[in-house]
Amino acid sequence: AQSVAQPEDQVNVAEGNPLTVKCTYSVSGNPYLFWYVQYPNRGLQFLLKYITGDNLVKGSYGFEAEFNKSQTSFHLKKPSALVSDSALYFCAVRERYKLSFGAGTTVTVRA
Amino acid sequence: DTGVSQDPRHKITKRGQNVTFRCDPISEHNRLYWYRQTLGQGPEFLTYFQNEAQLEKSRLLSDRFSAERPKGSFSTLEIQRTEQGDSAMYLCASSPSGSVMNTEAFFGQGTRLTVV
Repeated sequence: AQSVAQPEDQVNVAEGNPLTVKCTYSVSGNPYLFWYVQYPNRGLQFLLKYITGDNLVKGSYGFEAEFNKSQTSFHLKKPSALVSDSALYFCAVRERYKLSFGAGTTVTVRA
Repeated sequence: DTGVSQDPRHKITKRGQNVTFRCDPISEHNRLYWYRQTLGQGPEFLTYFQNEAQLEKSRLLSDRFSAERPKGSFSTLEIQRTEQGDSAMYLCASSPSGSVMNTEAFFGQGTRLTVV
């Protein structure tokens, strides 16, 4: 079965500093990887995806993610975090019809 | 608003009662998914529809759960004889036709169920 792991429950950064949210994956075959963000009382919002091609994927709201096959990782990054980026972030892998999600990482950006 | 719509947003029910949730996907999307999310966890897949056909069901979907998408548009998720363990956020998502592997799913705001 395909799976992802998010090793950090929480990430705290100061506004203006770089933000990294970690994700590692375990798949058989080619990975189809996604990042979603969830704000309080809101549904999940799609940020970006890796299907094939360039290892650096750019997405919404200034986020990007780096696919690393040798380290089986797909870390989410933002060069300069904003207070409004404070939310719950989920990494996911596609397995046929379904998405399998990690447990999530709570990001807090302090002013 | 042209996003995925779910109704109701919140539901409190007594143990043993039946509940039904509705999901209206994005209009041109032929794929529809139900997920369940409990506190501190990522969403877990429940079931998948392509048009009106239910093509996949998770083993999480016990016989007390049933989902339908009768005309390939909106979908309902019914839970019979609710238990306290059913308390969770129920999320609906939809995606367009095309390769199922590389298309993202668009999620609704969810229905929060509390069983007392």
